Amino acid sequence: GAVVSQHPSWVICKSGTSVKIECRSLDFQATTMFWYRQFPKQSLMLMATSNEGSKATYEQGVEKDKFLINHASLTLSTLTVTSAHPEDSSFYICSARPYLTGQSNSYEQYFGPGTRLTVT
Amino acid sequence: SQQGEEDPQALSIQEGENATMNCSYKTSINNLQWYRQNSGRGLVHLILIRSNEREKHSGRLRVTLDTSKKSSSLLITASRAADTASYFCATGTGGGNKLTFGTGTQLKVEL
Repeated sequence: GAVVSQHPSWVICKSGTSVKIECRSLDFQATTMFWYRQFPKQSLMLMATSNEGSKATYEQGVEKDKFLINHASLTLSTLTVTSAHPEDSSFYICSARPYLTGQSNSYEQYFGPGTRLTVT
Repeated sequence: SQQGEEDPQALSIQEGENATMNCSYKTSINNLQWYRQNSGRGLVHLILIRSNEREKHSGRLRVTLDTSKKSSSLLITASRAADTASYFCATGTGGGNKLTFGTGTQLKVEL
């Protein structure tokens, strides 16, 4: 249980185009999903917190107009990198926090396999 | 700056030996979690320890938490080549339990 998928797993796009990445919780509902980016040999940096039915909360320094997040349902969040540039090339990882009221493991997050974006 | 700083940055040991990784953090936390990441892959959750717990075990893993020193350690006993990966600590804070990741330790277990 607690599987999170991401699609696509990797994508190469041209500079100036937009790319959409999907994050799905396959066997549980997630009111909260998180988006991270990771540069080679570095740690994960939280970009934004996505709550179902409301606007995402972005971390300081993350451009909300460039990284559009939509959390349309309890099992799906999308990240759209608009007008991508080579410096946006990175590994993007999402995670989902199960909606488990009164459960002792409500702190856990389950991570997707990541999406590698290369902008040429 | 990183909430979590891990040391060592890299560790190479022989199969069968124990591996210990340390994580230090700066602010008050709800919990601390350890994750594993194989090269270019997603994260695998290993263990979660709450701020009111001091030690936790899961199989060959042992995690300690010292909130007075704002530090945690992950011990992998009887390491295997398959344990080769990067290990990250992550501290959970706030009502939404936002995770802040440490810098990571790259573990290599050699045959």
